[in-house]
Amino acid sequence: DAGVIQSPRHEVTEMGQEVTLRCKPISGHNSLFWYRQTMMRGLELLIYFNNNVPIDDSGMPEDRFSAKMPNASFSTLKIQPSEPRDSAVYFCASRYPGDSPLHFGNGTRLTVT
Amino acid sequence: EDKVVQSPLSLVVHEGDTVTLNCSYEVTNFRSLLWYKQEKKAPTFLFMLTSSGIEKKSGRLSSILDKKELFSILNITATQTGDSAVYLCAVEARDDKIIFGKGTRLHILP
Repeated sequence: DAGVIQSPRHEVTEMGQEVTLRCKPISGHNSLFWYRQTMMRGLELLIYFNNNVPIDDSGMPEDRFSAKMPNASFSTLKIQPSEPRDSAVYFCASRYPGDSPLHFGNGTRLTVT
Repeated sequence: EDKVVQSPLSLVVHEGDTVTLNCSYEVTNFRSLLWYKQEKKAPTFLFMLTSSGIEKKSGRLSSILDKKELFSILNITATQTGDSAVYLCAVEARDDKIIFGKGTRLHILP
């Protein structure tokens, strides 16, 4: 089992640029979650999907953020345009249906200058 | 609004001490409570609790849930320097939503 795979591991970009973060969930997992982690705010839920359908995106900070899950094995989180306050570690996590724990990827550390 | 509150925010103890970490919650349609340990990278799963009063145990770590008082504790006995980490509490609420507290940063002195 390869685990949840995120790319890139690190991303440094300038304010105003588009950023795309990628996630491959564990095979067979039908729920996928995107979180953002900062020292000040902890681990915040941005959006989650069940069976590739977005269920709750109320955590997405503003319209600059968007997420897609075109199939069961791939999801993207896009920020356009990026701002310095978007700097954080972004985690993707997946799990099986029902009462089962989340499995996290190693995260993408985003720095916007 | 659903929320998860952990205390203390940080804790420093000596190796061999016992620690208790707290997690209280307010969520709609509670389904389960989860504990995670986070060192340098991704959070790793420790426990999932769904029933009140049943202790889950793994080595020196144990956890219990009180659904009436809406809280959980995580105990670590005979702490070791390798236990130093951020411990995260999460609650699964309605529609499979999983939200986290801000964590307790635990540092074990040798």
